[in-house]
Amino acid sequence: AQSVAQPEDQVNVAEGNPLTVKCTYSVSGNPYLFWYVQYPNRGLQFLLKYITGDNLVKGSYGFEAEFNKSQTSFHLKKPSALVSDSALYFCAVRDINTGGFKTIFGAGTRLFVKA
Amino acid sequence: DTGVSQDPRHKITKRGQNVTFRCDPISEHNRLYWYRQTLGQGPEFLTYFQNEAQLEKSRLLSDRFSAERPKGSFSTLEIQRTEQGDSAMYLCASSPETATTNYGYTFGSGTRLTVV
Repeated sequence: AQSVAQPEDQVNVAEGNPLTVKCTYSVSGNPYLFWYVQYPNRGLQFLLKYITGDNLVKGSYGFEAEFNKSQTSFHLKKPSALVSDSALYFCAVRDINTGGFKTIFGAGTRLFVKA
Repeated sequence: DTGVSQDPRHKITKRGQNVTFRCDPISEHNRLYWYRQTLGQGPEFLTYFQNEAQLEKSRLLSDRFSAERPKGSFSTLEIQRTEQGDSAMYLCASSPETATTNYGYTFGSGTRLTVV
């Protein structure tokens, strides 16, 4: 069965500094990986995805993520954090070989960007 | 297109009552998903539809839960004989996926259920 882990409940970073939100996954087949963001009192929004190809994928709002097959990781990154990036971030995985088309989400990491 | 719509936004019900939620996906999206989210947790998969066919249902879903998507358009999620443990945010999402394409989901704002 597929699963995803976000080892940090919270990440604190100063505005202008680079940020990283960590994610590791477990699937038996090839993973499809996603990041979503949830702002207060708003629905989940899709940020980016890795399906195949280049290990570095770019998404919305200047975010990018790096797929590392050997470490089974898909960390979310941004070169320069903004206060408005403060939100709840979810990593998600889909195993199309065994898991059908459902997507499994991690527990989330809360990002605080301090001015 | 106004995105994925869910109704109602909030529902307070007494334990033992039945509740029904509605989801209107983006019109051209063939796949529709239901998730449940409790405080401090990520969304938990409940079920999904491809057009009108319910293709998968979580084993965590008891027989009190049922979902439909007649005609492959809107979907309803019904919970019978509600329990306090059913209190959560119920999320609906849709996507235009096929067997050869993969997209992220578009989520609705959710229906918050409180069972008292």
